[in-house]
Amino acid sequence: DTAVSQTPKYLVTQMGNDKSIKCEQNLGHDTMYWYKQDSKKFLKIMFSYNNKELIINETVPNRFSPKSPDKAHLNLHINSLELGDSAVYFCASSLLSGGALDEQFFGPGTRLTVL
Amino acid sequence: GQQVMQIPQYQHVQEGEDFTTYCNSSTTLSNIQWYKQRPGGHPVFLIQLVKSGEVKKQKRLTFQFGEAKKNSSLHITATQTTDVGTYFCAGPYSSASKIIFGSGTRLSIRP
Repeated sequence: DTAVSQTPKYLVTQMGNDKSIKCEQNLGHDTMYWYKQDSKKFLKIMFSYNNKELIINETVPNRFSPKSPDKAHLNLHINSLELGDSAVYFCASSLLSGGALDEQFFGPGTRLTVL
Repeated sequence: GQQVMQIPQYQHVQEGEDFTTYCNSSTTLSNIQWYKQRPGGHPVFLIQLVKSGEVKKQKRLTFQFGEAKKNSSLHITATQTTDVGTYFCAGPYSSASKIIFGSGTRLSIRP
């Protein structure tokens, strides 16, 4: 069983479109995250949710909107896609309230390519 | 702001040689984590260090946390092709529940 799953795995779209990435974890964790990994492999946190509540919102454009319908799901919606949004987006989860002492479990990633 | 720097950025070694990556923080860390990301894969947790001067081993991997808790290292003895990937350190920052990843060290191996 996959612990943290993401769909789709690949996403190719035109500039200006709106797209969503879905994430689900079956680990019973309280906290979920979205990370962006650019072409140079830098991993940067975007958002963190604890039990459906937003607890971290880094300096991310308003075009990115996370949504957590329940604590097992954290989706990412992106409006008006730009070329610079091309990256791999990772969802992750951790057991407790997002404390840095917690091991993070990452999903397989979604490779987004904006043309 | 807090930064976590890793060196080297790349390391290319002959199979069987040792490898070390270093992680340096601009501020004291309460703990540090290490992750490995295989090519085309996702980061996978390796270990967490909490105590000053702590040393932990996992088979051929040795992890150290500096006495001042501002730096850490990962040493791999006698590398194998399965060690290929990017190794990231990660530490908490600010008082919030945030984690910042180092820039990573990409290890490649000549068979």
